[in-house]
Amino acid sequence: DAGVIQSPRHEVTEMGQEVTLRCKPISGHNSLFWYRQTMMRGLELLIYFNNNVPIDDSGMPEDRFSAKMPNASFSTLKIQPSEPRDSAVYFCASSFQGLPGLAGGIYTGELFFGEGSRLTVL
Amino acid sequence: QKEVEQNSGPLSVPEGAIASLNCTYSDRGSQSFFWYRQYSGKSPELIMFIYSNGDKEDGRFTAQLNKASQYVSLLIRDSQPSDSATYLCAVRNTGRRALTFGSGTRLQVQP
Repeated sequence: DAGVIQSPRHEVTEMGQEVTLRCKPISGHNSLFWYRQTMMRGLELLIYFNNNVPIDDSGMPEDRFSAKMPNASFSTLKIQPSEPRDSAVYFCASSFQGLPGLAGGIYTGELFFGEGSRLTVL
Repeated sequence: QKEVEQNSGPLSVPEGAIASLNCTYSDRGSQSFFWYRQYSGKSPELIMFIYSNGDKEDGRFTAQLNKASQYVSLLIRDSQPSDSATYLCAVRNTGRRALTFGSGTRLQVQP
């Protein structure tokens, strides 16, 4: 079973350029999260979606950042214009958020991470 | 005050020893707690989760939760060099689906 798929894995761009990061969540998962990781600030939540609807975008740094989830199997994070301080690893994660089924089981709500997109803005 | 606090380390232990990793959180209403391991250049992967006060064991790993003290820990028994990584504590706060992560503790297991 495929995990969370992110692209590109590496992106080097110049200041002022537009950057688009892509994510395909695990099939059947209904929540999708975008995190950013830097040495200074660690792993920070940017935005998350539930059933394709943005729920909390309070972590989005500024208007230069935008995220969309047009359907259950695809999301994008766009930075326009990019700046050197945007250099980081951007992780997409997905999870199933809901109640345990009739058969029981444990609802963990754990996040499954993609391999990340390493962005360098020169 | 950060929502989730961890000592950045590095925590250095000899092979075969017990590694003890600690985490405190500020939201008293937090409901679930996770430990992720992250190797250098890789993505975080879940090791354990815990909901209830007390201990939860899974192989060489034991998670401990004390909600009164707002404290969660991870013990790694018989540490191996392959356990060398950064360990991230994550908390699900009241009413949120997302996890809030600590800055991580870097563990070094010396052969």
